[in-house]
Amino acid sequence: DAKTTQPPSMDCAEGRAANLPCNHSTISGNEYVYWYRQIHSQGPQYIIHGLKNNETNEMASLIITEDRKSSTLILPHATLRDTAVYYCIAVRDQGGKLIFGQGTELSVKP
Amino acid sequence: DTGVSQDPRHKITKRGQNVTFRCDPISEHNRLYWYRQTLGQGPEFLTYFQNEAQLEKSRLLSDRFSAERPKGSFSTLEIQRTEQGDSAMYLCASGSGRSTGELFFGEGSRLTVL
Repeated sequence: DAKTTQPPSMDCAEGRAANLPCNHSTISGNEYVYWYRQIHSQGPQYIIHGLKNNETNEMASLIITEDRKSSTLILPHATLRDTAVYYCIAVRDQGGKLIFGQGTELSVKP
Repeated sequence: DTGVSQDPRHKITKRGQNVTFRCDPISEHNRLYWYRQTLGQGPEFLTYFQNEAQLEKSRLLSDRFSAERPKGSFSTLEIQRTEQGDSAMYLCASGSGRSTGELFFGEGSRLTVL
């Protein structure tokens, strides 16, 4: 599974959009991009995933570049409860497993 | 509660003792994973079951670690002769066949080895 690179930390003002980048330049055609987050002292929580099209759900939007070498997770109106570590993971459709990196620690500030 | 449950949530033990953690996955999920997480690090993959079959084990899983899923439902993770380096959060996750990477994690079992 392809390695992903994320900034170690980011800040965001409450109510503003949080845009979390992820680089996955070696991603292969059968690997999906998954995003999870982990709030302190809890287990990771699935947010969203995509292959090549942009995706949106009730939690976030996922924008994947046309060459699939990078993606951005967008939290449209960040709240204090969105403060967490966010993980971007590339996973094969079949037989893959989640391999977590260090993630991005997002701090949402009032 | 229909999520993944883990027991115990916290365990403090002395070095050299054996400990066992239990995971009850979401009932219709056939895939079950164990991860270990230390402070400031992302979760590390330990092992994976499809139904009752253990299909993959990480090299992190030394001989002192054993995991079972006897009837394809709940799973146990046993650590024998615990060492201080085993202190960590042990996370269990389950998933259906629908989407490989979409897993549901439990709250974890925190182990402290004195």
